[in-house]
Amino acid sequence: SQTIHQWPATLVQPVGSPLSLECTVEGTSNPNLYWYRQAAGRGLQLLFYSVGIGQISSEVPQNLSASRPQDRQFILSSKKLLLSDSGFYLCAWRAGVGETQYFGPGTRLLVL
Amino acid sequence: SQQGEEDPQALSIQEGENATMNCSYKTSINNLQWYRQNSGRGLVHLILIRSNEREKHSGRLRVTLDTSKKSSSLLITASRAADTASYFCATDLRSGGGADGLTFGKGTHLIIQP
Repeated sequence: SQTIHQWPATLVQPVGSPLSLECTVEGTSNPNLYWYRQAAGRGLQLLFYSVGIGQISSEVPQNLSASRPQDRQFILSSKKLLLSDSGFYLCAWRAGVGETQYFGPGTRLLVL
Repeated sequence: SQQGEEDPQALSIQEGENATMNCSYKTSINNLQWYRQNSGRGLVHLILIRSNEREKHSGRLRVTLDTSKKSSSLLITASRAADTASYFCATDLRSGGGADGLTFGKGTHLIIQP
């Protein structure tokens, strides 16, 4: 069966510090991978998606970047965090078009 | 842009009662998915209903889809305290599908009173 992992679970970072959140998927090959952010009490907003190694598409202009160095690894990064980067970050995968999308447990980021 | 809108925003019912949540969307879809989110946790997939389906069941969950009205409903029967959570509907960000992700509404926060 497939599983998706995210770490860390919680992160508190000062403004201006770098960020690296990691997501890995097990039990599948060549998944489509996604990063979402959820602000408090809100729905999810798609940040990035990837259809393959090194292929990244960005949905919204922002202070963040994403990379996919391996087939089942997706990384969310920032060089300098802003207060507005605080939120709940969720990684997700799906096998292909029109398929169910499965989410990881999320990382709660607080920028102070 | 946001596609789905859940209604109501909040719902409080007694344990054992049925809970109904609605979702409206704006453009044509290939499928619609419902998710549950417990406080501070990730999203759990509940049901995917395709555009050529009108109704789907999973345990105590029943989802309907009316593409003519661009709406869907999620019914939870015989509710339990453990059903307390936020529920979201989601559709593909672009109606053509593809590799891009989902768009979500703000969710319905369901509280089951013991």
